[in-house]
Parts: sequence; structure tokens; C-alpha cells
Amino acid sequence: GAGVSQSPSNKVTEKGKDVELRCDPISGHTALYWYRQSLGQGLEFLIYFQGNSAPDKSGLPSDRFSAERTGGSVSTLTIQRTQQEDSAVYLCASSSPSSGNTIYFGEGSWLTVV
Amino acid sequence: AQTVTQSQPEMSVQEAETVTLSCTYDTSESDYYLFWYKQPPSRQMILVIRQEAYKQQNATENRFSVNFQKAAKSFSLKISDSQLGDAAMYFCAYRSGYGSSNTGKLIFGQGTTLQVKP
Repeated sequence: GAGVSQSPSNKVTEKGKDVELRCDPISGHTALYWYRQSLGQGLEFLIYFQGNSAPDKSGLPSDRFSAERTGGSVSTLTIQRTQQEDSAVYLCASSSPSSGNTIYFGEGSWLTVV
Repeated sequence: AQTVTQSQPEMSVQEAETVTLSCTYDTSESDYYLFWYKQPPSRQMILVIRQEAYKQQNATENRFSVNFQKAAKSFSLKISDSQLGDAAMYFCAYRSGYGSSNTGKLIFGQGTTLQVKP
């Protein structure tokens, strides 16, 4: 696609429910990143994919968070048993050597846990 | 580990005037990239400008330019002829060079909120 696409744009969920957030990177981009941004805060790195593998998962805050990427393209971030502190904007980004290694971001998924 | 610091939580500028946003970083690497991203209320992170560490010449993009001081590890953003549409949160970010053992993830500062007054 022309840009990084994320869905849903907004999600309200009840505490304890599981949620899935989807990211479709720019076509041909091999690297994919997930970040989290709490209200008024900077961006917190969660996980990095190169192709379908995730060599850096160091930012995942707990084992309730997981992510996968299939076909070297679409990625899904799953949060199990959501808590109120999970409320944030989840941003996906992608890059490739062909893009000069510049990282391009999607518009984010705004998650609210009530 | 690399760190990025933006010491100005908020800045304001009069329309058509010039404003400079500060950023400092810490690294032991010699090969890296620096970026400024803009995040308007729509929350989309928009790339404003990038600088390769090996380039001595400061990057410019229309009204946006940087002052890259490698020895001082400083990377400030100058916005000339400020416009109302420039109002946003601005993030400075660091990325290790291609081929580094690092994953190439961006390390962000805490951001500076820029207000543009008409």
C-alpha cells in the first residue's frame, strides 16, 4: 500500500478482554516496528520484526503482550486480559533499505480499556 | 545505551517568526541517523527531516533546517516563517546505522509541544 495502514483506528474494550491490533506495512518493507504512546508521552518501543522473525522483543511490557507477522507483511499485536494501564495509542511503523532506512509510521490504534 | 533528550516540553512562536527546538543525544556509535518527527493532533507521526551522522552538511527541507553538532551531540531543529499548521508535538529520534548489531529501532526524546500564535 501507499502508507502504513493500521486497524482498528479506535478500540474500547472492557478490562480483562483480549484485543488484536493489525498493521499492514508499506509494500516491500521488510522491517516492522510496534511502539506504544501513552497520553502526552513519548514513544515506547515494543517489538521489531525483520521479515517474519522478531529478533528484538525487549520492549514488550509483560507476557500478556505478543505479536506475530505472517508472509513478511501484515502484523498483529495481541494484548490478553487487558488492564487499564494498557490504554494508549499503539503505533506501527515500517522501513526498508530501499527507503533509505527511514521509518514511516501509521496513524495508530487508540486503545481504551474501561 | 543511546539516549535522546529534549529539554523543552513546550515552546511557542508567533506566526511568520523563527523558532528553534533543542535536542541532545548520547551515543558511543559513529554511524547513526537523526530524525525530527512531527505529530499533530491526528497523532500521525510525520517525518520532517533526517540527518546522516557522516554528513557534515546540515540537512534542510524547505522551511525546516537542522543544526547538527556531532562533537557536542546536539541536533536542533529550526523552523522558519512559522505557520499555523506547524503547531504539533515534535520528536527528536536516534537510529543506529545500517549494519549495526542494533535492530535499527528509533529511540525518541520526550517531545516538544509547539504552539504557533496568529
